[in-house]
Amino acid sequence: QQPVQSPQAVILREGEDAVINCSSSKALYSVHWYRQKHGEAPVFLMILLKGGEQKGHEKISASFNEKKQQSSLYLTASQLSYSGTYFCGTAYMNRDDKIIFGKGTRLHILP
Amino acid sequence: GAGVSQTPSNKVTEKGKYVELRCDPISGHTALYWYRQSLGQGPEFLIYFQGTGAADDSGLPNDRFFAVRPEGSVSTLKIQRTERGDSAVYLCASSSGLSYTFGSGTRLTVV
Repeated sequence: QQPVQSPQAVILREGEDAVINCSSSKALYSVHWYRQKHGEAPVFLMILLKGGEQKGHEKISASFNEKKQQSSLYLTASQLSYSGTYFCGTAYMNRDDKIIFGKGTRLHILP
Repeated sequence: GAGVSQTPSNKVTEKGKYVELRCDPISGHTALYWYRQSLGQGPEFLIYFQGTGAADDSGLPNDRFFAVRPEGSVSTLKIQRTERGDSAVYLCASSSGLSYTFGSGTRLTVV
């Protein structure tokens, strides 16, 4: 039931865009995105609940295709501070269900 | 408190010993989650509390692992007869809704 993330790693130059994908083999209730910097706790970015809904703030947004059980995270005009490991997490039953996290996508932004 | 507090931040123990890891969630958060994270991997679900009761303990790897939350606030994860494979960062998160706030974790090293 662990979601599959792709790519495993990305190296970008500052200002470039990135897309991180997350897919599940099972019907989803929600998709969660977190970012973790080395040695720190994961930090919540956003949650998506409905098919096709897109959420975001500033230059980070995400979409959720409920029918395909897929979500994508979009990082626009990346900044150095975006470096870290991005995890998608999926919940299957309801809002109180546990989140199952993927293996992560390591993002490194070069100046 | 202002955030999720986990103690100790680091714990080194000998194989076969018993350890307790403590989590103090954000005040008022009814849901509390334990995860463990190995190097280069995503957080792996262990157990989830809603109030005082364990709502889902399906992630506990075996009966050496046990967790309690007697008053619906602080939780303790207990590991008996520790093994070298138990070495990981143990993360606690609390939630009042859909997003989790993680603590900084306890790095457990079994030697």
